[in-house]
Amino acid sequence: NAGVMQNPRHLVRRRGQEARLRCSPMKGHSHVYWYRQLPEEGLKFMVYLQKENIIDESGMPKERFSAEFPKEGPSILRIQQVVRGDSAAYFCASSRPGQGRVEQYFGPGTRLTVT
Amino acid sequence: AQSVTQLDSQVPVFEEAPVELRCNYSSSVSVYLFWYVQYPNQGLQLLLKYLSGSTLVKGINGFEAEFNKSQTSFHLRKPSVHISDTAEYFCAVVNDYKLSFGAGTTVTVRA
Repeated sequence: NAGVMQNPRHLVRRRGQEARLRCSPMKGHSHVYWYRQLPEEGLKFMVYLQKENIIDESGMPKERFSAEFPKEGPSILRIQQVVRGDSAAYFCASSRPGQGRVEQYFGPGTRLTVT
Repeated sequence: AQSVTQLDSQVPVFEEAPVELRCNYSSSVSVYLFWYVQYPNQGLQLLLKYLSGSTLVKGINGFEAEFNKSQTSFHLRKPSVHISDTAEYFCAVVNDYKLSFGAGTTVTVRA
């Protein structure tokens, strides 16, 4: 019974390149959440998605960041033209339908380093 | 929006000693509270959660927490820690579906 899977676990990109982070939710989970852990800033919500729908992207930076959760395949967090300030750990979580009371299960994270 | 405050950023403790990590929340409505643990270079694992009912919540690895509505607190405790409990601990509250985390408390257990 695999948990939430994220890949890659570590990603190094040069400034200006694109970063693609993947998240496969737990079996039976149709809701995906992305969080970012910046040094000295803690864990912050970025975006909440259901299959083929972005429900809430209020935590996403206005530019360069996008997320999708297609009908088939993993959820993707995409960062275009990365800058040093994007260096962080990005965590994906998934849950069953039902909000608030439902536990979110976290993946191991992708640690992005921008050089 | 509801939020949580973790009052201690670092807590050093000796092995087999008790530990308490403090968390206060701000809310005037029903609240769902969680404690997560993050081991070095790993993801977050749920220790325990309070949704309703009994105010004393027992979790994994011998941890427990008490929901105190009058003091708006949800402190985490363990009566006897192990070296393996060295980790960062996060208190969190749900706003609809978004988890809002505290700044974290780093627990370092020494022999």
